[in-house]
Amino acid sequence: DTGVSQDPRHKITKRGQNVTFRCDPISEHNRLYWYRQTLGQGPEFLTYFQNEAQLEKSRLLSDRFSAERPKGSFSTLEIQRTEQGDSAMYLCASSRSRDTQYFGPGTRLTVL
Amino acid sequence: ELKVEQNPLFLSMQEGKNYTIYCNYSTTSDRLYWYRQDPGKSLESLFVLLSNGAVKQEGRLMASLDTKARLSTLHITAAVHDLSATYFCAAGYTGNQFYFGTGTSLTVIP
Repeated sequence: DTGVSQDPRHKITKRGQNVTFRCDPISEHNRLYWYRQTLGQGPEFLTYFQNEAQLEKSRLLSDRFSAERPKGSFSTLEIQRTEQGDSAMYLCASSRSRDTQYFGPGTRLTVL
Repeated sequence: ELKVEQNPLFLSMQEGKNYTIYCNYSTTSDRLYWYRQDPGKSLESLFVLLSNGAVKQEGRLMASLDTKARLSTLHITAAVHDLSATYFCAAGYTGNQFYFGTGTSLTVIP
């Protein structure tokens, strides 16, 4: 198949710990997006890659957040020194163009 | 400030009835998306609208775009229970940033 996959699906961590999430996009898609979604809200844009280049970053992406896409394939999103406010669903999406984005199942983060 | 607003936020409708969900966006956008999300699941793409006057239909759902009014609509015809879900619109802006509305939670009652 292959759709967009994300790992892990769930992560529980203690405040102050670092966490890293992985996203594997659809193989022929050169565009990759990260979003954050909290309960009852729509997804909030975090960052965008075209191939390996990070071309857009939301002001929501504080300096505790970093994302990479080293070879233009999979991407990682790292959150350092997690806070309870970081608890959310983190969604990854990929696309070939600015048309349809295909979303992964998400990683649900709970910060205790 | 970029805003995408949907209304209503909650919609309960009987099977067989028609209804429209509205999506307003605050700044000129060159494309508008509609997605569906089932509880605990990710987002499924429904429509991409690329130009003023664009209309797309799939089954009981029809989406349209009026760029002058900065308005998109999602019309539901003869609702069935399987359409119960949360529907999001999203506007694409300069570059590759996309802004989602808060969603419309639709419940179709038998």
